[in-house]
Amino acid sequence: GESVGLHLPTLSVQEGDNSIINCAYSNSASDYFIWYKQESGKGPQFIIDIRSNMDKRQGQRVTVLLNKTVKHLSLQIAATQPGDSAVYFCAENKSGANNLFFGTGTRLTVIP
Amino acid sequence: DTGVSQDPRHKITKRGQNVTFRCDPISEHNRLYWYRQTLGQGPEFLTYFQNEAQLEKSRLLSDRFSAERPKGSFSTLEIQRTEQGDSAMYLCASSLGFRDGNQPQHFGDGTRLSIL
Repeated sequence: GESVGLHLPTLSVQEGDNSIINCAYSNSASDYFIWYKQESGKGPQFIIDIRSNMDKRQGQRVTVLLNKTVKHLSLQIAATQPGDSAVYFCAENKSGANNLFFGTGTRLTVIP
Repeated sequence: DTGVSQDPRHKITKRGQNVTFRCDPISEHNRLYWYRQTLGQGPEFLTYFQNEAQLEKSRLLSDRFSAERPKGSFSTLEIQRTEQGDSAMYLCASSLGFRDGNQPQHFGDGTRLSIL
């Protein structure tokens, strides 16, 4: 079946350090992946996306890596700040499908 | 702010009552989605519109749920005869739809429904 899962439910990092949040997916037909950040009481906020024809994409302080061989996705946040504390979700989209499949999320806590 | 807007932000109602939520998507987005999120879980897809046409419904969307997007702009989600299990955050998202390739879905801040 299809599943999007995260290796770690919680992650604590010191302010200024880099964070890496991992995600495994099982559907080899998925060709589009998104990372969202969700703060308490708010909806998921788009961070960065990547298509399956790429293995790396960079944004402002964030990098997403896609390893299709092992069906693994990661989000790297550089110089983590207290404002980065939130739950992070990866989501996948099968080719031709309209909906996103989400995992259960990783809670990132930044220690000042 | 021209993001996705949802109303109300919170709804508390008694079991058995009907509730209706509204979503205003980003103005140029032709695709609109409804998701449900329970505590500690990721959002789960409910239904999808392209313009005014409802093109896909999840098995989660029971007969008590109905969604509309009459003019291809705002959408409403109605739950009839609410049950305890309907308590959740109801999220709306919108995106631009192209024939080739996906575009990111942008979410509103949701309507939190509590059934007493």
